[in-house]
This record gives sequence, structure tokens and C-alpha cells, in this order.
Amino acid sequence: DSGVTQTPKHLITATGQRVTLRCSPRSGDLSVYWYQQSLDQGLQFLIQYYNGEERAKGNILERFSAQQFPDLHSELNLSSLELGDSALYFCASSIRGSEQFFGPGTRLTVL
Amino acid sequence: AQTVTQSQPEMSVQEAETVTLSCTYDTSENNYYLFWYKQPPSRQMILVIRQEAYKQQNATENRFSVNFQKAAKSFSLKISDSQLGDTAMYFCAFISRVFGNEKLTFGTGTRLTIIP
Repeated sequence: DSGVTQTPKHLITATGQRVTLRCSPRSGDLSVYWYQQSLDQGLQFLIQYYNGEERAKGNILERFSAQQFPDLHSELNLSSLELGDSALYFCASSIRGSEQFFGPGTRLTVL
Repeated sequence: AQTVTQSQPEMSVQEAETVTLSCTYDTSENNYYLFWYKQPPSRQMILVIRQEAYKQQNATENRFSVNFQKAAKSFSLKISDSQLGDTAMYFCAFISRVFGNEKLTFGTGTRLTIIP
């Protein structure tokens, strides 16, 4: 158990819909990262937050957005979902950006 | 931009044997970390071992060790006395220590199967 929690574990939805993935980092970690793992794109960095502020952006679509709240939990919002958005979404946390500890992931299936 | 290459999509080895997974990377930076992550069938990403670029000594964690060749930009993982529980996907990953660029860049992974 890494100490990072993610909810829900599984999510099945239809194209065009909007979903929210939630992540709680390890106690004391200020940085939260979101990654997408899909069959065709592999593991890709989406976005990083540090103590409530966006710190780095990767290959994140405009239909996706994220935020980190004062209690340091983070949410990833995915809207206008397409079939290609089906993937495993990981949240990770770290203190200083070196070792990142991953949550169990949320498996998103878009039908 | 950094890139990480794992040229062995799949490997298999007999239980108790030693196996080495290869990884090369490309970067213009001098200050970074390298990692090996394990992803078993449960899909959980588990940190196996970490290497800091400024350290010449190769990292070791129990049965896992690395061969870090900074000039060659090579970072291989050796698993000794392999066990059935080592069966998993293994990802090599790079992270910069530059402020605002602390994202993990992953290779495509090596699927390792330990044969009983």
C-alpha cells in the first residue's frame, strides 16, 4: 500500500459524458501528479499540482482539467468523453518530485 | 525533451536465475533521477529502485541492482534469484530535477515472466 488513494476503482460511462476522478496523496506530500496509461500511448504524464497550484503540464487534452484543493486532494475532470479516453488513470504523490508513489489507479471505460 | 527506450518488449527466465532488463535514455540535463517501476497483474505501480545521476555508485535493493552508465546513458536492472512474484511489466523512468519539470518519462516497458 503506497498511501495514495484513488476513487473510484472502476468507471464505465458513455461517450459525451463527464466524469471526475479523485486522488488523496500520502500524508505530507504536497505534489500530486496525474498519468494516463493506455494501450497505444503507454504511460503519459498529464499534469502536476504543487500545494494547490499547477506546476507542470504534459499531454493533457483541453477536454481534461484538474485541480488541487486546500486539503491537498486532487480531482481530474474528463469531459466530452471519447472512446479513446478509455485508459487507466494514475495519481501519484511526492514530497519533492523525486520518488513518486502511485495510487491503485482508476480504470475508465468509455462505451 | 527526454526519451526513455526499452528495447526488450518481453523476456522470460527460469525461477532462481538472474535476468537483466535494458534501458537507455536521452537527455541534455546533468541532474536527474532514474527509476525502475514494477507493474504486476494487479496494475499497481510499485517503485523497485532509484538511482541519482550524480552518484557513481550503483543502487542496490535486496535482489535488485542497477548498472548505471551515465556517459552511455544506460540504466539496466538486474534481478538475482528471480522469484515467481517478480512476474510483471517493468518500466524504466526518468525524472528531471529542474524546477517545474518534475514529471516522470517512462519507457514502453518489458514484460517479464518467471517460469517455475
